[in-house]
Amino acid sequence: GAGVSQTPSNKVTEKGKYVELRCDPISGHTALYWYRQSLGQGPEFLIYFQGTGAADDSGLPNDRFFAVRPEGSVSTLKIQRTERGDSAVYLCASSPSWVGTEAFFGQGTRLTVV
Amino acid sequence: AQKVTQAQTEISVVEKEDVTLDCVYETRDTTYYLFWYKQPPSGELVFLIRRNSFDEQNEISGRYSWNFQKSTSSFNFTITASQVVDSAVYFCALILANAGGTSYGKLTFGQGTILTVHP
Repeated sequence: GAGVSQTPSNKVTEKGKYVELRCDPISGHTALYWYRQSLGQGPEFLIYFQGTGAADDSGLPNDRFFAVRPEGSVSTLKIQRTERGDSAVYLCASSPSWVGTEAFFGQGTRLTVV
Repeated sequence: AQKVTQAQTEISVVEKEDVTLDCVYETRDTTYYLFWYKQPPSGELVFLIRRNSFDEQNEISGRYSWNFQKSTSSFNFTITASQVVDSAVYFCALILANAGGTSYGKLTFGQGTILTVHP
């Protein structure tokens, strides 16, 4: 596609449920990043992939969060046993490589845990 | 660890005024890149500029200009003759790079500055 696509754009879930957030990067981009943005804050890094492998997952807040990118393209961020504190906008970005280029961001998925 | 500080939470100006957004960063690394992103109400972060730590030359692009001063660890952004369409949240960010200038990994963002331009 022309840009980074994230689905769904909005997700409301009940506390304790499992959710999956999907990111379609720009075609051909090898690097993919997930960030989380809480209201009034800047995006905070969660994890990034170079190809299929997670090159840095140091930003994942706990073991309820997991992300995959099995074929080196689409990525899924998975959150188990959601908590109200997980409510935020989850942003995905991709770049042509992990070297020296700017990241292109999607419009995000707004997750609300009630 | 890296840190980016945008001390101005909100700025409000009237159209055609000039406005400067401040950014101060902290890092022990000598090689890094600095960025400015714009986030309009639609939510998508739009890339505006990237500077590397070895290039302190100021840059002008249309109504936008950037002032990078390594001595004060600042990377300020000025919009000249602001327009209503400039209303957005603006983020300054930093990414580390290796000695060869290859950046890698995560962006560290500031908290953002909400700019409102009134007609």
